[in-house]
Amino acid sequence: KQEVTQIPAALSVPEGENLVLNCSFTDSAIYNLQWFRQDPGKGLTSLLLIQSSQREQTSGRLNASLDKSSGRSTLYIAASQPGDSATYLCAVRRSWSGGYQKVTFGTGTKLQVIP
Amino acid sequence: NAGVTQTPKFRILKIGQSMTLQCTQDMNHNYMYWYRQDPGMGLKLIYYSVGAGITDKGEVPNGYNVSRTTTEDFPLRLELAAPSQTSVYFCASTMGLTQVGTGELFFGEGSRLTVL
Repeated sequence: KQEVTQIPAALSVPEGENLVLNCSFTDSAIYNLQWFRQDPGKGLTSLLLIQSSQREQTSGRLNASLDKSSGRSTLYIAASQPGDSATYLCAVRRSWSGGYQKVTFGTGTKLQVIP
Repeated sequence: NAGVTQTPKFRILKIGQSMTLQCTQDMNHNYMYWYRQDPGMGLKLIYYSVGAGITDKGEVPNGYNVSRTTTEDFPLRLELAAPSQTSVYFCASTMGLTQVGTGELFFGEGSRLTVL
């Protein structure tokens, strides 16, 4: 059974800092890994998608890496801003082995960027 | 692009009432999902579907039913609503194995349900 862990559960940083959010998974047989942000009372916004064959993806100030062998992904946020304050979730889609490709979510890291 | 559309956005139900949450996607995705998210908690899978006519239970299916008669629509039915079903419900979709695409998971904006 795939287990996805995000540590820390909460993080508070001053504006301008570079920061790293972690996502660990127990089963390396993955199809892809996706990072989302969720603002309070809102839905999930997709940030980055990494295919199992890729090592990293970048979008603006965001960079996500994937190391399947160690079961880890990191989301790097450069020059953090108060607008980055949100909960960040990672989701792992299982590679196909017959039947349904389950998607497993981490419990999230709640980020607060202090002006 | 409409993506995944959920209705209603908000609803208050009395205990014992029934209702249907609607979900429609216009991306021709085979896979569709219903999740619930309780305050301060993670997402829990209620039901999923891998194509029209095929549905299966997730982690927390009790008190819910689904149907998938078309590729586009995946309604979630709540029968005999209970306070424990107070939650935010999210519908999501993604391509199936035989479809071309990145496998990105798309979410609707959510339906906030309160049962009193």
